Amino acid sequence: EVKLVESGGGLVQPGRSLRLSCAGSGFTFDEYGMHWVRQAPGKGLEWVSGITWRSGSIAYAESVKGRFTISRDNAKNSLYLQMNSLRVEDTAFYYCARDSYKSSWRNFDYWGQGTLVTVSS
Amino acid sequence: QSVLTQPPSVSGAPGQRVTISCTGSSSNIGAGYDVHWYQQLPGTAPKLLIYDNINRPSGVPDRFSGSKSGTSASLAISGLQAEDEADYYCQSYDSSLNALVFGGGTKLTVL
Repeated sequence: EVKLVESGGGLVQPGRSLRLSCAGSGFTFDEYGMHWVRQAPGKGLEWVSGITWRSGSIAYAESVKGRFTISRDNAKNSLYLQMNSLRVEDTAFYYCARDSYKSSWRNFDYWGQGTLVTVSS
Repeated sequence: QSVLTQPPSVSGAPGQRVTISCTGSSSNIGAGYDVHWYQQLPGTAPKLLIYDNINRPSGVPDRFSGSKSGTSASLAISGLQAEDEADYYCQSYDSSLNALVFGGGTKLTVL
């Protein structure tokens, strides 16, 4: 069974940093691209960032470019999102999601349960 | 303002058929990029419902079907059931943004 478990969310002040983690299991982690997708409370889905299987290609949404960094450690079956200079508008549930392809951006075939990030003073 | 446009809400009685549209542009759906659909039940994570325009993952009932034409795509749900009440999102790739993009979501109410 494919499982994605996020961790690292919480309450943080504007301008501070937070690092999210996602642990994958039940599949060969290094054979798939991975993504972060967020959803502000009561709002729609927004793709945040994606990374291909060997980290050869990385992309970000304009809203987070220059502030967020995605990375992965295939030896640890883990995906990360380093979030710096956080803003109130970054408040959202952050989902880790698997891409159905390894080396291009396609879709999200499995999702974690999400971790809530709240940016507030 | 989402790159892909969906109606905010649709409704139907049990047993009826409803469709949800997803309109894009020449840099996403119109450029030939595939459309995928997700179902998000209240309080849960999204789930892949339709991939590559028309395909259903294992376990998704055949009451759900997808289509694509030109710069638009549609999700059809036939034999509506109370358990189908959820938010539905379309998703594709946009070459001008180099980003995966979503529609704003459609809330389905089963009357």
